[in-house]
Amino acid sequence: DIQMTQSPSSLSASVGATVTITCRTRQSISHFLSWYQQKLGKAPRLLIYGASTLQSGVPSRFSGDGSGTEFTLTINGLQPEDCATYYCQQSYSSPFSFGQGTKLEIE
Amino acid sequence: VQLVESGGGLVQPGGSLRLSCGVSGFTFRSYWMHWVRQAPGKGLVWVSRTNSDGTSTIYADSVKGRFTISRDNTKNTMYLQMNSLRAEDTAVYYCARESTFGGGRDALDIWGQGTMVTVSS
Repeated sequence: DIQMTQSPSSLSASVGATVTITCRTRQSISHFLSWYQQKLGKAPRLLIYGASTLQSGVPSRFSGDGSGTEFTLTINGLQPEDCATYYCQQSYSSPFSFGQGTKLEIE
Repeated sequence: VQLVESGGGLVQPGGSLRLSCGVSGFTFRSYWMHWVRQAPGKGLVWVSRTNSDGTSTIYADSVKGRFTISRDNTKNTMYLQMNSLRAEDTAVYYCARESTFGGGRDALDIWGQGTMVTVSS
């Protein structure tokens, strides 16, 4: 099974700041990595697929990068509505594991 | 485009429950579908996937042999039959659509609102 290690587990930043969340795996998953945003009490929302492709309708301040074993989600110019928990997920092989999540708070 | 889960509730340990995921707004029979769960206050955990016609299914080890995913493309509905339920199965269960975007890139692009399953005596 592929273990997803996400860091940090939580972070706090100000409106307008840039934050980066990292997801690592021990074996290569090529570009089979997605990022999801989950607001409190809501279903997850797809942000990024294929490691770096922005899902339709997602603001351009979100971006993804990486391949192989290390991936990043960057939010440029934080907005209050970005307060949420963010998850990575690999779709390389079953079980299609998620990272443990990064809780982002806006100061 | 909408996914609506139903069938959650309170069940005793060892009991059974069947969840449904009703679909509208897209051609259900063309898509692979997943179940993902989230225990209270915890992260997302992938549970199961079915291919477009239900002939190929896979499961997380934690539910293998106890849960069965299925679908009825004539009713635009996916199911999760859950047997021998345990306290650790307590979670919100989400159904999600898998979309393939080309180049082997796929992701869960549409999610339902979730249905809560509580296993307790």
